[in-house]
Amino acid sequence: DTAVSQTPKYLVTQMGNDKSIKCEQNLGHDTMYWYKQDSKKFLKIMFSYNNKELIINETVPNRFSPKSPDKAHLNLHINSLELGDSAVYFCASSQDWHIQETQYFGPGTRLLVL
Amino acid sequence: KQEVTQIPAALSVPEGENLVLNCSFTDSAIYNLQWFRQDPGKGLTSLLLIQSSQREQTSGRLNASLDKSSGRSTLYIAASQPGDSATYLCAVHPYLRANNLFFGTGTRLTVIP
Repeated sequence: DTAVSQTPKYLVTQMGNDKSIKCEQNLGHDTMYWYKQDSKKFLKIMFSYNNKELIINETVPNRFSPKSPDKAHLNLHINSLELGDSAVYFCASSQDWHIQETQYFGPGTRLLVL
Repeated sequence: KQEVTQIPAALSVPEGENLVLNCSFTDSAIYNLQWFRQDPGKGLTSLLLIQSSQREQTSGRLNASLDKSSGRSTLYIAASQPGDSATYLCAVHPYLRANNLFFGTGTRLTVIP
């Protein structure tokens, strides 16, 4: 009964490729997020979606394009991958973006760009 | 700009000891502060959430305090166990930035049996 799931768990790819990471939550939450955790373990928000609409975009390059086909899914597509994109990407969800609710995190996707 | 700092970066203690993890933040205009636990290769698990109007929250052997005016929070773990070994992250929820959490860099805790 995984609450927030991500696929794939690991992703190794060449520089310049395009890749996608999928996220699904079965909690019935309205709000979903993508975070990036760099090599120094610093966790920083990238995007936030509420009911399929973009709420937060924290100065992320245009190569990153989130897509929310429905409120249970928030996928992350990355074009023209660069070495600096290597990191762990976490998806999270919360009940509502107006309410100060706890965020529930997925297990992470470890991306390595060679 | 909100910055969150956690000290120490790493901590090793023998089993059974009580310990304190520290978190400081530069902007006191926050809705709340959360403490998370991250196990190696896994996602984050929320431990405690303290609203800005609260002073502390308790859950089992964990007690988190918040002094918003001084920009500090502590996580107290009583009678530590090897299963407590993990990285502990604090995150603040800035006022007027709904659900945009700012994380610290974490404290990696090792409890030695």
